[in-house]
Amino acid sequence: KNQVEQSPQSLIILEGKNCTLQCNYTVSPFSNLRWYKQDTGRGPVSLTIMTFSENTKSNGRYTATLDADTKQSSLHITASQLSDSASYICVVSAKTGNTPLVFGKGTRLSVIA
Amino acid sequence: DAGVIQSPRHEVTEMGQEVTLRCKPISGHNSLFWYRQTMMRGLELLIYFNNNVPIDDSGMPEDRFSAKMPNASFSTLKIQPSEPRDSAVYFCASTHREPYEQYFGPGTRLTVT
Repeated sequence: KNQVEQSPQSLIILEGKNCTLQCNYTVSPFSNLRWYKQDTGRGPVSLTIMTFSENTKSNGRYTATLDADTKQSSLHITASQLSDSASYICVVSAKTGNTPLVFGKGTRLSVIA
Repeated sequence: DAGVIQSPRHEVTEMGQEVTLRCKPISGHNSLFWYRQTMMRGLELLIYFNNNVPIDDSGMPEDRFSAKMPNASFSTLKIQPSEPRDSAVYFCASTHREPYEQYFGPGTRLTVT
């Protein structure tokens, strides 16, 4: 069964600190993996998209890594800001099957002063 | 571009009533997706269209749900009759080239009492 598991479910960090969010998936065959940021009351916004051949991709203070062998991805946030408080959702696309996208349930990040 | 537009932003209705949610995708995008988000289940894909044609509706929970895309600039998601368990935030997203970066609308928060 295609699944995406994220950890931790929630995280509280101090402003300025770094953090890493994890995503493990069992989706096969793999097409691409995305990280989305969702602010409260808003729709998700894409942070990164990585295909099989990409190991890392950055978007400002956000850096995503992908290990296609172990089927793991991480999202690292550097020098966190209060505005980073949001839910971060990992989404994996399968190449076949009726479901093109498999969603994780997200990690709720709270950055406090 | 104004982005993906959804209406209404909030809907409160009584059980048994018909509910129609509307979406206007970004101009030029040829794929449109309807999602439902709840705390318990996270984001779930309900149905998606390519060039106005429904490609995969396996996520539509029941026959009470139906979706149409009469043209490239408009789609509706209808629930008839509505039930309290349909209460959720419904997102519409569009993309120029599926399944790459999707742009989400602000969502419609539906409450069925």
